[in-house]
Amino acid sequence: QKEVEQNSGPLSVPEGAIASLNCTYSDRGSQSFFWYRQYSGKSPELIMFIYSNGDKEDGRFTAQLNKASQYVSLLIRDSQPSDSATYLCAVNMGTNAGKSTFGDGTTLTVKP
Amino acid sequence: GAVVSQHPSWVICKSGTSVKIECRSLDFQATTMFWYRQFPKQSLMLMATSNEGSKATYEQGVEKDKFLINHASLTLSTLTVTSAHPEDSSFYICSATQRSGELLGRGETQYFGPGTRLLVL
Repeated sequence: QKEVEQNSGPLSVPEGAIASLNCTYSDRGSQSFFWYRQYSGKSPELIMFIYSNGDKEDGRFTAQLNKASQYVSLLIRDSQPSDSATYLCAVNMGTNAGKSTFGDGTTLTVKP
Repeated sequence: GAVVSQHPSWVICKSGTSVKIECRSLDFQATTMFWYRQFPKQSLMLMATSNEGSKATYEQGVEKDKFLINHASLTLSTLTVTSAHPEDSSFYICSATQRSGELLGRGETQYFGPGTRLLVL
């Protein structure tokens, strides 16, 4: 079992819809959780992080964390074609500072 | 804030030569820097973890004598691909971590550089 698992996709949603990206992790001791976006041919860029159970909103993005079920999700409201990218989930144990374990990513396509 | 640069952005070299890639945190002092490699349509692969003033920690399967890492300061880490071969052609990405009061004790945020595309002929 991988430490961080994501559906590879591709996930396709129409423009204006809500895109839901999911991530599960194996280590219950995980402390913080990060979502990155990676456009084709580019490096990852941070979208947001979350560490408390519940929802955290930032603009059109909402991260949801459920530690009991060991999953974290990212919702993108009013999806735009410019949101088409690969979304990476990263999990940090907190004990080793910056080292996070990354999932393989979910590719999202938003169709006009 | 939290800007990470890499230089060069792309490089083409002949087989057998060495290539040095620089990673700099421009507006913060990085606690740790990481080096990744990514082949087309594949996931990020962590190569090594680098801390200022100490030896890098390499992931299993990564040859430390082939991929030399020097972490000269809190804002600069370099990766040297020695005696590069065509199979080393890849997208090399560094990241730097920044401590955040909000995440204290829970981890640190990684900020990625723009990457260096290496093509070995």
